[in-house]
Amino acid sequence: GAGVSQSPRYKVAKRGQDVALRCDPISGHVSLFWYQQALGQGPEFLTYFQNEAQLDKSGLPSDRFFAERPEGSVSTLKIQRTQQEDSAVYLCASRGGQEETQYFGPGTRLLVL
Amino acid sequence: AQSVAQPEDQVNVAEGNPLTVKCTYSVSGNPYLFWYVQYPNRGLQFLLKYITGDNLVKGSYGFEAEFNKSQTSFHLKKPSALVSDSALYFCAVRDRKDTGRRALTFGSGTRLQVQP
Repeated sequence: GAGVSQSPRYKVAKRGQDVALRCDPISGHVSLFWYQQALGQGPEFLTYFQNEAQLDKSGLPSDRFFAERPEGSVSTLKIQRTQQEDSAVYLCASRGGQEETQYFGPGTRLLVL
Repeated sequence: AQSVAQPEDQVNVAEGNPLTVKCTYSVSGNPYLFWYVQYPNRGLQFLLKYITGDNLVKGSYGFEAEFNKSQTSFHLKKPSALVSDSALYFCAVRDRKDTGRRALTFGSGTRLQVQP
């Protein structure tokens, strides 16, 4: 269990449904990031946690997106009332306290029909 | 604001030949620079980074990159390409001045195709 894990790996939702995406960071990593990767694009920043504190949520595209990390380890990204434009891969990354490298999970591919 | 440009959508190279994947960046201060590789249906895998010191950085799987401050570039290189290097490559930057957000800004990616 050395890496970042994410679940589910794939999620199909009907438009209007709520979804929850989970991220388990590398044990002991203080910082946790969520990125959104649209098809054919590079990842784009959504939000950042340091321990349980959400220090930056400026990348969240709308108030339908919500993220939490209540105990400073596992994080959940929730999307309410999903829209087709929410279809993307959602990547989670974690980083240790004294280094700059972010380590990414395998991502959750969300398809909204 | 920080940004990254990867001017080539795709790079084709024959196995055994050297490869270069280009990256230029823009930050207001000094950069932290990264290369990641993405295989199909996988997350991003870290290859190498420039933080400080020697401009030539060596990373995983024989890859290296050279930081050039005057040209604001951080091109990825490998002396001899393998078919298994075929993947999507992303360059990323973070401005050292950014003590708050700490997020990476990624380029749009370059698909490397190595022909046998």
